[in-house]
Amino acid sequence: EVQLVESGGGLVQPGGSLRLSCAASEFTFSSYWMYWVRQAPGKGLVWVARINSDGSSTDYADSVKGRFTISRDNAKNTLYLQMNSLRAEDTAVYYCVRTNYYFDYWGRGTLVTVSS
Amino acid sequence: DIVMTQSPDSLAVSLGERATINCKSSQSVLSSSNNKNFLAWYQQKPGQPPKLLIYWASTRESGVPDRFSGSGSGTDFTLTISSLQAEDVAVYYCQHYYSSPVTFGGGTKVEIK
Repeated sequence: EVQLVESGGGLVQPGGSLRLSCAASEFTFSSYWMYWVRQAPGKGLVWVARINSDGSSTDYADSVKGRFTISRDNAKNTLYLQMNSLRAEDTAVYYCVRTNYYFDYWGRGTLVTVSS
Repeated sequence: DIVMTQSPDSLAVSLGERATINCKSSQSVLSSSNNKNFLAWYQQKPGQPPKLLIYWASTRESGVPDRFSGSGSGTDFTLTISSLQAEDVAVYYCQHYYSSPVTFGGGTKVEIK
């Protein structure tokens, strides 16, 4: 069974940084594009960042461009999201998602709370 | 960006009755190269991540009950639950993956009447 397990969330002050990780297993990680999707409390789903299978191409939502960096280590089967200059509006559950065009597997998510 | 608009925002349906959710995209998500609609549906139960139900607008994901069906083409799509069960209480989202950025509809909350 495909597994995606996020970690690294928590409480951080505005302007602070966090690094999320997503450990992937039971599939050939290096063959898939991956996404981070977030969901603010009580709100809908919003794409944050995506990376291609070998890490050579990335893209970001305008709301996080210049502040967040997506990366991957295919040798470690791990996806990352480095989040800098965090704002209150970045408060959300962050999901790691495998894509096969559509989003076929989602992790359980990790909660990031930005508050003083 | 392609805007996905779902309706209604919420609906209450009696057990065993039909539930219908609509999704409209601001531009066509039908690819001329492969004649497929780049449209998916997800189910999200409280406290859980979204789960893929339908992709290519009408292909049911493995293990999804056949009471769930997707239809439509171009800009107008429908998710139908033919006979609502208690375990179907959830929020349902449509999503296009036709181009970057992928975008989701605002969600439709389905409850038992």
